Amino acid sequence: LAKTTQPISMDSYEGQEVNITCSHNNIATNDYITWYQQFPSQGPRFIIQGYKTKVTNEVASLFIPADRKSSTLSLPRVSLSDTAVYYCLVGGINYGQNFVFGPGTRLSVLP
Amino acid sequence: GAVVSQHPSWVICKSGTSVKIECRSLDFQATTMFWYRQFPKQSLMLMATSNEGSKATYEQGVEKDKFLINHASLTLSTLTVTSAHPEDSSFYICSARGDLSGNTIYFGEGSWLTVV
Repeated sequence: LAKTTQPISMDSYEGQEVNITCSHNNIATNDYITWYQQFPSQGPRFIIQGYKTKVTNEVASLFIPADRKSSTLSLPRVSLSDTAVYYCLVGGINYGQNFVFGPGTRLSVLP
Repeated sequence: GAVVSQHPSWVICKSGTSVKIECRSLDFQATTMFWYRQFPKQSLMLMATSNEGSKATYEQGVEKDKFLINHASLTLSTLTVTSAHPEDSSFYICSARGDLSGNTIYFGEGSWLTVV
């Protein structure tokens, strides 16, 4: 199982771009990288997923270097409502593979 | 994205009783469902993985006789906490992956269990 490492916490100000990096040194060939956002007392919400290079959607971008041993979630122009815990999850479609969460990054957006 | 729903959102039960939490995939067939447990300010802890029609696979340290998981259909999995005790009080979250979700797992809203 690919273990993930992220910063425990980050602070930012409204309107800034926030980059959260996740390390996953033993990622497997068929593993995808998925980022989730979680607010207190809610289930994690899907943000973005990628396999390699760069992926962008309406809320975030995901940068994955060629060796895939890390990934960076980029949140453009954060607002107070982006204060949450962000998790990167590494896993694939192999039968029986489970998905283990790391500690996540607690992002605090300040006014 | 795919929708996963849990019920109830919160439940209070007496010590020694059993309580069931349901997890449903509303718009896709969930071939695999996962159950997590989360304590305040901590990460999600995987309890078990279940594939439709098969027995659940429990993570090390999770008592399978206490946390009964059933995944009898492609849209429903249940977690039953048997003989609940106050230390079982926690936030329980399910997630699912299936035919339309590809490599992505989608999460339910979570269920708060308080055992008194």
